[in-house]
Amino acid sequence: EAAVTQSPRNKVAVTGGKVTLSCNQTNNHNNMYWYRQDTGHGLRLIHYSYGAGSTEKGDIPDGYKASRPSQENFSLILELATPSQTSVYFCASGDVGTGGYEQYFGPGTRLTVL
Amino acid sequence: GMPVEQNPPALSLYEGADSGLRCNFSTTMKSVQWFQQNHRGRLITLFYLAQGTKENGRLKSTFNSKERYSTLHIKDAQLEDSGTYFCAALMGYKLTFGTGTSLLVDP
Repeated sequence: EAAVTQSPRNKVAVTGGKVTLSCNQTNNHNNMYWYRQDTGHGLRLIHYSYGAGSTEKGDIPDGYKASRPSQENFSLILELATPSQTSVYFCASGDVGTGGYEQYFGPGTRLTVL
Repeated sequence: GMPVEQNPPALSLYEGADSGLRCNFSTTMKSVQWFQQNHRGRLITLFYLAQGTKENGRLKSTFNSKERYSTLHIKDAQLEDSGTYFCAALMGYKLTFGTGTSLLVDP
């Protein structure tokens, strides 16, 4: 069974502060993703990675950085958090397998920026 | 238009009813995943399809890449089916999500 975990699960931050959201996967997948979910928008892709050391911009990367120090870990970094970044953030991993390409999602992190 | 259009945005059913959700794609997609988001916010994968039709219990999903659509059919709806359903289509190695269908099943 695919396993993607996220920490913290809930976070309250202040405007202008730095926030780091962490994601770990034990699937040995090459690709990892960060999404945010807001009402009326579904999930939108922020950053993704093809492997350790790589990060790519997704559809809404402004205000976010990402870091992939290892195959297992992928972090999302908000250097200067703003209230507009209040959202639920999901991490996912995926890779090409015999069944095709499926992404596996973590439980989500609820971030509130005051 | 949007790469993935999902309809309807909301759906209300009585227990035992059947209904369907649909996603239309603006371009050819490699595959589709359907998710249910439960009351805790967890995304549960219902189906992954690269083509054709899959069934799992009371749920059935079809993906037609050439015609650019996918459907999710719920048969004999139960209270526990309530939640938000998302389709997500794969282009390259990136998923693009629909905006979701909020399903409420009433007794």
